[in-house]
Amino acid sequence: AQSVTQLGSHVSVSEGALVLLRCNYSSSVPPYLFWYVQYPNQGLQLLLKYTTGATLVKGINGFEAEFKKSETSFHLTKPSAHMSDAAEYFCAVSQNNLFFGTGTRLTVIP
Amino acid sequence: DAMVIQNPRYQVTQFGKPVTLSCSQTLNHNVMYWYQQKSSQAPKLLFHYYDKDFNNEADTPDNFQSRRPNTSFCFLDIRSPGLGDAAMYLCATSIRGELETQYFGPGTRLLVL
Repeated sequence: AQSVTQLGSHVSVSEGALVLLRCNYSSSVPPYLFWYVQYPNQGLQLLLKYTTGATLVKGINGFEAEFKKSETSFHLTKPSAHMSDAAEYFCAVSQNNLFFGTGTRLTVIP
Repeated sequence: DAMVIQNPRYQVTQFGKPVTLSCSQTLNHNVMYWYQQKSSQAPKLLFHYYDKDFNNEADTPDNFQSRRPNTSFCFLDIRSPGLGDAAMYLCATSIRGELETQYFGPGTRLLVL
């Protein structure tokens, strides 16, 4: 069975500061892992995904995530937060279907 | 641009009055999904079509049904909406050979009065 845990339902950072959103997963098989972003009243937009190969994955808008099998983690980072990054972020794991975490709301403080 | 389109973006209905939400896609993907997302919660899969094969999640209420008349269109029918059905409904697609990656539409926010 697959599951995803996102630590911290709300994260606040100052503009220009490092963004770190945490995601841990459990999966009985090698996982496919995803980060999606959702702006208010919008659908989910794929930020990045890990399937196989390089464990450091770069996505859109300057985000990246690293798959760490030993830690069963797939944390999302961005070196410098912008105001436009304020949104809800969902980590997900996929085997046949997507299983989402409960989301982390990112607030960027000017 | 290839995309997933949902209409309407906002839908208001009355308690017990049937409502249909629409999804179309220009990606020519063979899999289409419907999710329900309540406020501050993760999206919850209701059902999906793999081509014409319908797959219902075990805990999807009978009140929810779906139709897929062709590759491009998929509909979500709520036969008798209750107040608890107020939510954002998300449509997504994926393609054979890359099923793990889903592409989402903008969603339809349903309000039940």
